[in-house]
Amino acid sequence: GENVEQHPSTLSVQEGDSAVIKCTYSDSASNYFPWYKQELGKGPQLIIDIRSNVGEKKDQRIAVTLNKTAKHFSLHITETQPEDSAVYFCAASLNYGGSQGNLIFGKGTKLSVKP
Amino acid sequence: EPEVTQTPSHQVTQMGQEVILRCVPISNHLYFYWYRQILGQKVEFLVSFYNNEISEKSEIFDDQFSVERPDGSNFTLKIRSTKLEDSAMYFCASSGSLASRDEQFFGPGTRLTVL
Repeated sequence: GENVEQHPSTLSVQEGDSAVIKCTYSDSASNYFPWYKQELGKGPQLIIDIRSNVGEKKDQRIAVTLNKTAKHFSLHITETQPEDSAVYFCAASLNYGGSQGNLIFGKGTKLSVKP
Repeated sequence: EPEVTQTPSHQVTQMGQEVILRCVPISNHLYFYWYRQILGQKVEFLVSFYNNEISEKSEIFDDQFSVERPDGSNFTLKIRSTKLEDSAMYFCASSGSLASRDEQFFGPGTRLTVL
């Protein structure tokens, strides 16, 4: 089955700096890769996702890149702010036609943005 | 904005007791999921549900677990005889609207504590 590895487990940056979180996946059939942000005591919140037919996607300060050949994808946050501090999870799934695959999550990255 | 809701927010039970966790998915969604997160660990898939039946389940989802959609709005997870190791945060998620088939939206979770 699918296995997702995520690095680093903790990341501390100064406000205004960039943060990069990397994930690798094992199943080449996986075709959907979301990123979730989880704040303390809350459920995971989808912040951005990418499908396997796209190499990069950007939404304001957040971008995700996907390398299908190497089976890795990354989250990039620019101009970090203290409110970006949270745990970030990458995930992978196989969605095809009308079928929705379950999400396989990485172990999470605790991001701390120091003011 | 529509959201997934879960009740209760916190459930404390004695080992061996039955618990039912409740979820109201987003109204036009077609796919429903339960995930769990043991404290400090990654989110793990339990079960997915579509068209009134289980479509996929993990090895965690053994005979002690069951899911049900008793009416048009609720989606429940039942644990028949709780064990200490069932203590975790349980998240419900839904997906599959016509507009965004892949995105899974998570509820705020139910913290289950088994004593």
